[in-house]
Amino acid sequence: ETGVTQTPRHLVMGMTNKKSLKCEQHLGHNAMYWYKQSAKKPLELMFVYSLEERVENNSVPSRFSPECPNSSHLFLHLHTLQPEDSALYLCASSQTGGGYGYTFGSGTRLTVV
Amino acid sequence: EDQVTQSPEALRLQEGESSSLNCSYTVSGLRGLFWYRQDPGKGPEFLFTLYSAGEEKEKERLKATLTKKESFLHITAPKPEDSATYLCAVQDAGNNRKLIWGLGTSLAVNP
Repeated sequence: ETGVTQTPRHLVMGMTNKKSLKCEQHLGHNAMYWYKQSAKKPLELMFVYSLEERVENNSVPSRFSPECPNSSHLFLHLHTLQPEDSALYLCASSQTGGGYGYTFGSGTRLTVV
Repeated sequence: EDQVTQSPEALRLQEGESSSLNCSYTVSGLRGLFWYRQDPGKGPEFLFTLYSAGEEKEKERLKATLTKKESFLHITAPKPEDSATYLCAVQDAGNNRKLIWGLGTSLAVNP
């Protein structure tokens, strides 16, 4: 496989559930990102990992917990979510510096009921 | 405050009818301006990076240009397959990672 792969593509979860989103990149990039995309809002950066270290956390609620076990894999662990957390969650990767453009996965469409 | 504004919000064209999308930005120093295309149910797909005023880049029917205040994405003789949302993002020279995103322009090209 090439590019950035996200699973699952769709997820419906109750507010008391615990689930995880997975992202895998096969591009040899050294930075990975989680973004949230909601209707009528610009893309919101959630977390940045560079060389497997979390370098940014944009005031994201603790019910979202990222994990980056190696430079190719990124997870977003979800628990006790709220209905307003329903959105498209996008993973992206790039070379450090970002001036070369980010490569995005197809996203996970999350619905919290 | 860093800001990116895209216009129009939505655009409907007939096949072959050329037009332009606008991305206006305010940053203290521009490191790069990025154009992406996003199809429904998919993640954004990278199109271009522009680094300095006067720079132009082309790809098939798309041409991106940059000034000190805005960028244009010109679409020449569009086809229905060009229908998508086009996103613009800028990177402040003071921050190597964070992109400031616009809301996008939703383009529909009718056959």
